[in-house]
This record gives sequence, C-alpha cells and structure tokens, in this order.
Amino acid sequence: SQTIHQWPATLVQPVGSPLSLECTVEGTSNPNLYWYRQAAGRGLQLLFYSVGIGQISSEVPQNLSASRPQDRQFILSSKKLLLSDSGFYLCAWSVRVLAYGYTFGSGTRLTVV
Amino acid sequence: GDSVTQMEGPVTLSEEAFLTINCTYTATGYPSLFWYVQYPGEGLQLLLKATKADDKGSNKGFEATYRKETTSFHLEKGSVQVSDSAVYFCALSEGSNDYKLSFGAGTTVTVRA
Repeated sequence: SQTIHQWPATLVQPVGSPLSLECTVEGTSNPNLYWYRQAAGRGLQLLFYSVGIGQISSEVPQNLSASRPQDRQFILSSKKLLLSDSGFYLCAWSVRVLAYGYTFGSGTRLTVV
Repeated sequence: GDSVTQMEGPVTLSEEAFLTINCTYTATGYPSLFWYVQYPGEGLQLLLKATKADDKGSNKGFEATYRKETTSFHLEKGSVQVSDSAVYFCALSEGSNDYKLSFGAGTTVTVRA
C-alpha cells in the first residue's frame, strides 16, 4: 500500500535561518507531489507542485523553493526564514486526481521566532 | 478557472444534531468533487468523493450528492458526535488536467456534548 512520510512534525526556527522539509512517498511510481501551507485559521495555499523529477511549478512567488531530486522525494527549502513563513506545511501526492484526489502527509508545524 | 465556494464557519452544534455544509462549484468541464476532513493538528484525510453527476459519496455517516443542475456538493450528517469536530474542505478536480485540486476555504465544525 502507499504511504507518505513527512518530517519533522514540529520545528521552531529563528528568523534568517535556513529550512529543509522533506516528504517521501512509498508504494507508487511517478506520483504528482505537492506542498501546501496553511496559516493559522486559514485555508490551504498551494506553494509548489511537481509532475516529474526535476519538474517544479511554483504557484506563489515567495521566500521558498522546492526540489524533487528523486521520483518519490519532495523537499521544501528556504535560505532565510521570515516570520511570515510560520504555518502548517502539508505534503501530498496523487496519481489520478480525477479518480482518487490527493493523499496528504501528517504535516509540519513551523514556527519562526 | 474552476473553483469551489463553501459556507463560512465556524459552525457549532450539539451532539446528535443534523449537520449541513454547503459547497458550490464553478467548472468548465466534468470535474470530480471531494470532501476532506482535518482533525486538530493533523493532515487532511479524504472523507468522500463523487466522480460524476448524481453520484453519492458516503463515509462515516457523512453523505454528499454531486448535483450538476445546481452545481453543488453539500455535505450532510444526520447525527453528529463530538468526534466530528474538525475542519471540512470541499475540493474540485480541475477538468483541464488530472493533477490539481482546487480547495474551498474550509469550514470549522465544533460539536458540543
């Protein structure tokens, strides 16, 4: 069966520090991968998605970047965190959205202090 | 573009009350429709889905019917429990591709004992 792993679960980072969040998927090949952010009490904001290795689409220009070094690995990064980067970050994967939708990871709570 | 609009919350109910969360959509093609649930501190989980008009999705006592004539996919549960307290998201697959979902803003539901 397919599983998605996202870590760390919680992170507290100072302003100006770098960030690396990792997401891996098991049990499927060539998944579509997504990074979402959810600010406190707000809806979901799509940050990046990838339909293949090395293919990254950015939805919102900001202080973050994403990479997909392997088929089932998706990394969210920042060189220098801002206070406004705080939020709940969710990774998700899909193979056929019309039929199955997305499967989400358990999320990373990032607090920038 | 394709989009969903869901009723704003928060919604507060007593146990055993009837729950309805309205969701309407705008789409140019033939989207699939989904409801996701997010329990506190967790990622989103697929609650139910419908892939064509007149389909009824159901799970855990929740139901939603894909109504093309009213472009709606309202979520209902006949008797809620405290454990149903969560944020509920309506989502639509964009008919122009098979890799992206559009999410509503989310509706926070609190069920009191």
